[in-house]
Amino acid sequence: DAMVIQNPRYQVTQFGKPVTLSCSQTLNHNVMYWYQQKSSQAPKLLFHYYDKDFNNEADTPDNFQSRRPNTSFCFLDIRSPGLGDAAMYLCATSSRTGTGYTFGSGTRLTVV
Amino acid sequence: QKEVEQNSGPLSVPEGAIASLNCTYSDRGSQSFFWYRQYSGKSPELIMSIYSNGDKEDGRFTAQLNKASQYVSLLIRDSQPSDSATYLCAPQEGDSSYKLIFGSGTRLLVRP
Repeated sequence: DAMVIQNPRYQVTQFGKPVTLSCSQTLNHNVMYWYQQKSSQAPKLLFHYYDKDFNNEADTPDNFQSRRPNTSFCFLDIRSPGLGDAAMYLCATSSRTGTGYTFGSGTRLTVV
Repeated sequence: QKEVEQNSGPLSVPEGAIASLNCTYSDRGSQSFFWYRQYSGKSPELIMSIYSNGDKEDGRFTAQLNKASQYVSLLIRDSQPSDSATYLCAPQEGDSSYKLIFGSGTRLLVRP
């Protein structure tokens, strides 16, 4: 089945230690997104790729970086995680025609 | 700032009742609208999409859209305890063909 896969499902990292979250898709969608979601809040868009074009949200901290080496894969790098970065990180994909997003299962990040 | 407003709830209904979830949005250019269901600790799952004014039915779910009033709703008939979740309203951004704006969701609790 076509899907969006995020790894790992749970990630524990130390304060200040770089961490990378990964996302892959078999839907061949043009657009890939990274969202941060904290408890009882709306998902917050960090950035997205339209094909290879990177689009950063204005309020995304510099601590967050992303890579999309090919259509199928996208990575979220957190250079120096702080306690405030503990959250669920959601990867999503969509086609260019706006039929809604398909989400991965998410990565729950804990910072200790 | 484009905003999506939802009552955070919880909306508590007895099993078998109709649950009515409401959403208002500020972006007059929005043309496509989506409802996502999110169980606690899980990622959002697309359950309904609506593009035209009026009603759209899919099984126990009915989405209603009124673009003039900038209002979209989701009705769940014959509510089941398994419907207990947070429901996110997500209009598409008016100046984008693919990006969504998420509300913070309404938590629904269906009592057995």
